[in-house]
Amino acid sequence: GNSVTQMEGPVTLSEEAFLTINCTYTATGYPSLFWYVQYPGEGLQLLLKATKADDKGSNKGFEATYRKETTSFHLEKGSVQVSDSAVYFCALDDYKLSFGAGTTVTVRA
Amino acid sequence: EAQVTQNPRYLITVTGKKLTVTCSQNMNHEYMSWYRQDPGLGLRQIYYSMNVEVTDKGDVPEGYKVSRKEKRNFPLILESPSPNQTSLYFCASSPLGMRTGNTEAFFGQGTRLTVV
Repeated sequence: GNSVTQMEGPVTLSEEAFLTINCTYTATGYPSLFWYVQYPGEGLQLLLKATKADDKGSNKGFEATYRKETTSFHLEKGSVQVSDSAVYFCALDDYKLSFGAGTTVTVRA
Repeated sequence: EAQVTQNPRYLITVTGKKLTVTCSQNMNHEYMSWYRQDPGLGLRQIYYSMNVEVTDKGDVPEGYKVSRKEKRNFPLILESPSPNQTSLYFCASSPLGMRTGNTEAFFGQGTRLTVV
C-alpha cells in the first residue's frame, strides 16, 4: 500500500537557519504530494503541493520538488523565522490522503 | 468563511460512556473524513465518506462509527470508549473524494479526547 516516511524530529534551529525536512514515499500509482503544517493548537493547513513529477510547490518561502526517480518530496526553506515553529506533515494523495508521522520544528530567536 | 467546525474541542470521559464528536463543513464538499493523531504515528484515517449515505472504513476503524445523513455533517461516534482511544481527532473535508490532487483538504481545529 501507499506510505510516507519523513525524517524524525524534533528539529531545533536558530532564526535565519536553513531548514530541510526529508520525505520519501511509496505508491503504486502517480500520487499528488503535499506538505501540511500544523501550528500549535490548530488543525492542519495546506502549505504546498505538487501534482506530477518535477513539479515544484512553493509557499511562504518553503519549496519542495516532486522527484519521481528518488520518490522524494523534501521540504526546504532558506531562512526560517520563529513563526515557522510548527509540526510539518508530508502526505500523498492516491485516492486517499496518507500522512507521514510529522516533524516538529522549533525555531529559536 | 470556509471552515470545518468540530465540537467539543476538549473532552474527558470515562470508559464505556458513549460519546459523539460533531463535525460540520460549510463548503458543500462531498468528501469528509476522520483522523486520529498520535505521537510518532502521524495522522491515521478512521472513516471516510464520499457523499451522503456513503461511508467506508479507513485504516483504524475499530471502536468507531460514523454517519452521513446530510452533506455538511459527519459525526464520529464512540459507542464504548476505551483508554486506547485517547487521542487528538481531526475532521477534514475536500471537494473530491478521489484524486484530490488539485484541491486541498480542510481540517477542523481538533478534538482532544481523554478516556479514563
